[in-house]
Amino acid sequence: RKEVEQDPGPFNVPEGATVAFNCTYSNSASQSFFWYRQDCRKEPKLLMSVYSSGNEDGRFTAQLNRASQYISLLIRDSKLSDSATYLCVVGGRDSNYQLIWGAGTKLIIKP
Amino acid sequence: EPEVTQTPSHQVTQMGQEVILRCVPISNHLYFYWYRQILGQKVEFLVSFYNNEISEKSEIFDDQFSVERPDGSNFTLKIRSTKLEDSAMYFCASSDLLVPTYEQYFGPGTRLTVT
Repeated sequence: RKEVEQDPGPFNVPEGATVAFNCTYSNSASQSFFWYRQDCRKEPKLLMSVYSSGNEDGRFTAQLNRASQYISLLIRDSKLSDSATYLCVVGGRDSNYQLIWGAGTKLIIKP
Repeated sequence: EPEVTQTPSHQVTQMGQEVILRCVPISNHLYFYWYRQILGQKVEFLVSFYNNEISEKSEIFDDQFSVERPDGSNFTLKIRSTKLEDSAMYFCASSDLLVPTYEQYFGPGTRLTVT
């Protein structure tokens, strides 16, 4: 079983729509959770950390469900510039420093 | 806004040659990392570094790899004898341990091509 699993997509979504991604992780002891976005051939950029209580940043909302071991990302009112690959990242099993990366979900926003 | 920088942006080398990839982390950060991403694949952790020593390394980080912080600003990754399969993007990242979420900030990467 993969440590961090994501639907690779692509998700083709019209501009203005709401889109949601889920990610599951295998290690129940994981402590830190993040969403990064990566544009083609660029570095990953931190989008948001995911807290137990859930958190929102503008059009983006992240949720953590520890019981089911999944993390979600919701993007409202999607923009063309949201097109990217979204990477689910989890703090490693035996440490807080080693990040375990999902393979990413590709999002394409269409005009 | 402070950022992580990396040089060179692209390095082409022949199999068996040594390469050194350079990174300047964010100045007040304490933890430094190297990751690699083979084209079309996921990001993979290589090594983390704190207080002038390796704190963790992955199975990928074998004896061919080494890291160093030669001065107060640079953080380098050396590959002693490159193989074709070392071709990848190499990302440096840094984090401030004082931030409880251990958010890591990435440099733009070095594309290594081994021929």
